[in-house]
Amino acid sequence: AQSVTQLDSHVSVSEGTPVLLRCNYSSSYSPSLFWYVQHPNKGLQLLLKYTSAATLVKGINGFEAEFKKSETSFHLTKPSAHMSDAAEYFCVVSDGYGGATNKLIFGTGTLLAVQP
Amino acid sequence: EAGVTQSPTHLIKTRGQQATLRCSPISGHTSVYWYQQALGLGLQFLLWYDEGEERNRGNFPPRFSGRQFPNYSSELNVNALELEDSALYLCASSPGGLAADYEQYFGPGTRLTVT
Repeated sequence: AQSVTQLDSHVSVSEGTPVLLRCNYSSSYSPSLFWYVQHPNKGLQLLLKYTSAATLVKGINGFEAEFKKSETSFHLTKPSAHMSDAAEYFCVVSDGYGGATNKLIFGTGTLLAVQP
Repeated sequence: EAGVTQSPTHLIKTRGQQATLRCSPISGHTSVYWYQQALGLGLQFLLWYDEGEERNRGNFPPRFSGRQFPNYSSELNVNALELEDSALYLCASSPGGLAADYEQYFGPGTRLTVT
């Protein structure tokens, strides 16, 4: 079965410093992986997705993630944090390949705080 | 292009009542998904509809049900409401069919409060 583990429930950074949100996955086949962001009282917005093409995936708002099969990781990074990046971030794996499910399996989320 | 829309924004019900939540997908999307985001339980998959058929359901009791209409909009019904059903219910849509790499686009959610 597919699963994702987000290693930090809370991350705090200063504005202008790099952001690293960690995610490990477990999958019996090459997974489809996503990062979603949820701002307070808002729905989920897709940041980026990995679907077995390039291992370095660029997303919106300057975020990117690198798929590392040897480490079963899909960490999200951004070179310089903005105040507007403060939100909850979810690492997600799709359970759809090879079976009729199409469901997304969410990590527990990482709350990113950005200090001025 | 309009995104996924959900109504109502907030819904307050009492225990034992029924709740109906509605979702309109992005134009051209035939798949609709429902997720529950409850405090302490995270985001959990509820239901997937495609072309009017229920394709998959998560680990929820039968009192959670729904349907998809010919225009691909969807309804989620929760019968015999319990306090623990209080949550944000998110609807998402994607192009239809079995595709692990289709991203799902989410609506803003319906906040259901059961008192």
